[in-house]
This record gives sequence, structure tokens and C-alpha cells, in this order.
Amino acid sequence: DVKVTQSSRYLVKRTGEKVFLECVQDMDHENMFWYRQDPGLGLRLIYFSYDVKMKEKGDIPEGYSVSREKKERFSLILESASTNQTSMYLCASSSQLGLAGTNNEQFFGPGTRLTVL
Amino acid sequence: AQSVSQHNHHVILSEAASLELGCNYSYGGTVNLFWYVQYPGQHLQLLLKYFSGDPLVKGIKGFEAEFIKSKFSFNLRKPSVQWSDTAEYFCAVNTGGFKTIFGAGTRLFVKA
Repeated sequence: DVKVTQSSRYLVKRTGEKVFLECVQDMDHENMFWYRQDPGLGLRLIYFSYDVKMKEKGDIPEGYSVSREKKERFSLILESASTNQTSMYLCASSSQLGLAGTNNEQFFGPGTRLTVL
Repeated sequence: AQSVSQHNHHVILSEAASLELGCNYSYGGTVNLFWYVQYPGQHLQLLLKYFSGDPLVKGIKGFEAEFIKSKFSFNLRKPSVQWSDTAEYFCAVNTGGFKTIFGAGTRLFVKA
């Protein structure tokens, strides 16, 4: 079974703090993703990575950065947390190169619910 | 820009009722289509997927979805829902890049 784990289920931080969210997958997947999930907005892509040290901005990258030093680990960094970053953060991974017509199912972690006070 | 539209944000059904959740996308080329489900307190998991072949796709727990290319739709169906189907359902589309676009989600509540 593919397993995607996230370092914390719940996190409470103060405005201005630097926040690290860690994600690890154990299936040797090339692609990893960070989403935030907000009610009524679905999942919005923050950043993704298709290889070690490679990263691409998603739809809402402002206020976030990422790091992928090892294939199995993808970190999301909030340089200076703000209250509008209170959300559920989901990490996912997939094995395909993203070609239409091929199976590019994503596997998700349990999520980290971050509250910024 | 590509987008995914889910018709209902909230659906309330009684047990044994039939379910159909609508999903439409905006893209004219080849697509991969997914339905994901998130049960209360659990992580998002795949319900079913279409990437080629038979447009009627069967998934887990008795769910199925039909890809109608001419209507840009991928509606999810189940003939008889159970209380345990209470969850949030997300339609998602991949058009060949790394990005998968998710709909806003539909919260289904099944009354026992």
C-alpha cells in the first residue's frame, strides 16, 4: 500500500512564525504536491515537485515555499505565518509523468490542520 | 482556463435513495477523470478513475461514473446509498500536465 505521511495532524502557530510542514511517501514516486483545502473551494494547488530539487508553483504559491532535498520528502514552508493561512494542508504523491490517457492517480496523506492565531 | 464544476455543494438523502453527483469540466482535449472521497476524519482516497476505454467506470463500494465526452461530464452514481456513504466527494480532472484540477466538493449526508 502506498503510504503518504504528514508530520502533524494538528498545528497551532502564532502570526509571524516560520512553519514547516513535512510530508514523506514510501513508494518511490517522482511527483509530490502540496494543496490547501478550504470549505467551498475544494483543493487548491500550492506547489508541486516532479523530481528532487525541482519545484513548480501551483495556483496559490504566495506566502509559501517548498523544499525537496530527497525523493521521498517534500516540505512546505510558511516563511511568516498569517491568519489567512489557517487551513487544512494536504500532501499527495503520484508516480506518472502526468500524461493524459495514463494513470496519474494521486495518493494523499491524512492532512495537517494548521491554525494561525 | 481549465476548470471543474460540481453542481451541488450539499446533498441530503435517506438511506436506499439513489445518488447522482454532477461534474462538468472545461477542456476539449484528452482527459483523465477522477472521483475522490473523504470520509469524516479520514484522508482523501480514490473512489474511481477513467483514463481510457469503457466510459462507464466502476469503483469501490458500488459507485460508478459515466464519462460523456460530448457533454464534458463525469457524473458519479450509486443506486442505493448507505449511511456510511456520508462523506465529501471531489471530482478531479487531469489534462496531461502535472496538475490535477479539483472541483469544490459535494458534501453528502445520508440519513439513517
